[in-house]
Amino acid sequence: DAKTTQPTSMDCAEGRAANLPCNHSTISGNEYVYWYRQIHSQGPQYIIHGLKNNETNEMASLIITEDRKSSTLILPHATLRDTAVYYCIVRGGNDYKLSFGAGTTVTVRA
Amino acid sequence: DVKVTQSSRYLVKRTGEKVFLECVQDMDHENMFWYRQDPGLGLRLIYFSYDVKMKEKGDIPEGYSVSREKKERFSLILESASTNQTSMYLCASSRHRAGNTIYFGEGSWLTVV
Repeated sequence: DAKTTQPTSMDCAEGRAANLPCNHSTISGNEYVYWYRQIHSQGPQYIIHGLKNNETNEMASLIITEDRKSSTLILPHATLRDTAVYYCIVRGGNDYKLSFGAGTTVTVRA
Repeated sequence: DVKVTQSSRYLVKRTGEKVFLECVQDMDHENMFWYRQDPGLGLRLIYFSYDVKMKEKGDIPEGYSVSREKKERFSLILESASTNQTSMYLCASSRHRAGNTIYFGEGSWLTVV
């Protein structure tokens, strides 16, 4: 799996957009970018994934650069319940397992 | 929505006890997984099953076994629990094709005393 680099932590104001960056400069052509989050003491929650195009769902948007070497997860209106560790993962089409790095600890403040 | 349900959220067991962790998924997924998650060590795969009665060892299978008698159910068994198996255990599932999204359960916190 290609490795990813994320900031260790970031703060966000409630109601504002949270932009979470991720670098994956060694990503290869058939590898997807996945985002999960883990709220304290709970299992990881799938957020979104993409290959080349930007993606949006009810939770977030994923912006992938044209060269695919980095991406940004956008939480459009952060709430206190979005406080969690966010993991950016690069995963190949033939991979059946996941490995998480350290992730970004996001704290949403009122 | 995909639902992966783990039978117990919190368990306390004694050293040497046999421990069963149960997991059920409701999305007809072929693949099911058991991971453990420990601070500083991240997520580690214990066992993986791609079909009923089929299993493959993950990265840390020692001290564990699994059972998959029905497609929706995947059990993790600690034959003789030890204190170094105190951890958070995560069940997950996905569709058969590798690369499909993996969905996790809420986790089971096991303490072995």
